[in-house]
Amino acid sequence: SQELEQSPQSLIVQEGKNLTINCTSSKTLYGLYWYKQKYGEGLIFLMMLQKGGEEKSHEKITAKLDEKKQQSSLHITASQPSHAGIYLCGADQSQGAQKLVFGQGTRLTINP
Amino acid sequence: KAGVTQTPRYLIKTRGQQVTLSCSPISGHRSVSWYQQTPGQGLQFLFEYFSETQRNKGNFPGRFSGRQFSNSRSEMNVSTLELGDSALYLCASKVQGMNTEAFFGQGTRLTVV
Repeated sequence: SQELEQSPQSLIVQEGKNLTINCTSSKTLYGLYWYKQKYGEGLIFLMMLQKGGEEKSHEKITAKLDEKKQQSSLHITASQPSHAGIYLCGADQSQGAQKLVFGQGTRLTINP
Repeated sequence: KAGVTQTPRYLIKTRGQQVTLSCSPISGHRSVSWYQQTPGQGLQFLFEYFSETQRNKGNFPGRFSGRQFSNSRSEMNVSTLELGDSALYLCASKVQGMNTEAFFGQGTRLTVV
């Protein structure tokens, strides 16, 4: 079965700094999702990437899916306290159905 | 447009009891999936329903079951609760098709004592 490995597991950055979170898959990614979660709450959809080389941005967050489609990165520019939380990458394992497998998450802390 | 709604938000149950959780998907979304999130195992897929039929099932014991109604609302049931069932249960909805956006609810925090 497909496995997703996120790195780093936790990250502490100074407010205003840039950061990158990586998600590496054991198999080719056909659909890669990025979510953000505040502790104990639901997942907030950030972006979905499908094609190798695809890049999407929303406000100060940019996500990329590499050409070989086995790795994705999430980049935050000029981080703010509102960016703090747990970032999760997920991949769709089932053709046409929704069976997502997730990485273990990256806990992001922003220091003022 | 309303998001995915899960009820209740919090629940405390005793070992051996059973529990039913509810999920109302986004209007127009016919696929509903359920996930269990624990500190040790992370987010794990439970099952997925589409048009009242279970299409996929994760590796969970038969104590975990679900169903979907004609209006796409879904319920999951856990019988004979164990302490290890304490978790955040999340449901997600999406329109039909692979690689379409999946939106999650706020979750139900279940504590088994």
